[in-house]
Amino acid sequence: EAGVAQSPRYKIIEKRQSVAFWCNPISGHATLYWYQQILGQGPKLLIQFQNNGVVDDSQLPKDRFSAERLKGVDSTLKIQPAKLEDSAVYLCASSPSQDRADGYTFGSGTRLTVV
Amino acid sequence: GDSVTQMEGPVTLSEEAFLTINCTYTATGYPSLFWYVQYPGEGLQLLLKATKADDKGSNKGFEATYRKETTSFHLEKGSVQVSDSAVYFCALGSGYSTLTFGKGTMLLVSP
Repeated sequence: EAGVAQSPRYKIIEKRQSVAFWCNPISGHATLYWYQQILGQGPKLLIQFQNNGVVDDSQLPKDRFSAERLKGVDSTLKIQPAKLEDSAVYLCASSPSQDRADGYTFGSGTRLTVV
Repeated sequence: GDSVTQMEGPVTLSEEAFLTINCTYTATGYPSLFWYVQYPGEGLQLLLKATKADDKGSNKGFEATYRKETTSFHLEKGSVQVSDSAVYFCALGSGYSTLTFGKGTMLLVSP
């Protein structure tokens, strides 16, 4: 089966600019996650979708980050305006359900550098 | 809240050496436990998992046993290869909450 697709792979922007990332999960996977992975740390959840509804966005910095999952398939994550501390790898993952025993399938990530 | 603690890296080994990466956890209830591996420039890949106490997860020569009494899920491999060089993440999931990851342990294997 095709994996989780993410684009772009790399992005360099100046602070205060905006940027958007795109994710296409595995077909049929109802649950989609966006994680932020800062260099040397484990992934930190930003937002979780179940179909096209938000389940958990408690750790999303809503003053600058937004995400949507239209039609319950693809998702986009946006940062506006970007700060230097947003430099990280943004990982998208999907799973068949909310049952944690399924584990997640991750995409290759988008590496964002804010200068 | 839930948390995962992994041994700090990097772990540096010669090829064919025995590997142990320690992982302990704190969680409410009965979580599922996972090991993920991240190769350079790639996303995380599920390596193995265990969903209840005393279960042993295994894959590609790696093993980990869910020890409820010591709240541990240590990763082991009898003979590492250069191609095993990567960052390894321990994670847990309780009920319907999202996965909580450790900080990761880098493994470097030299020929």
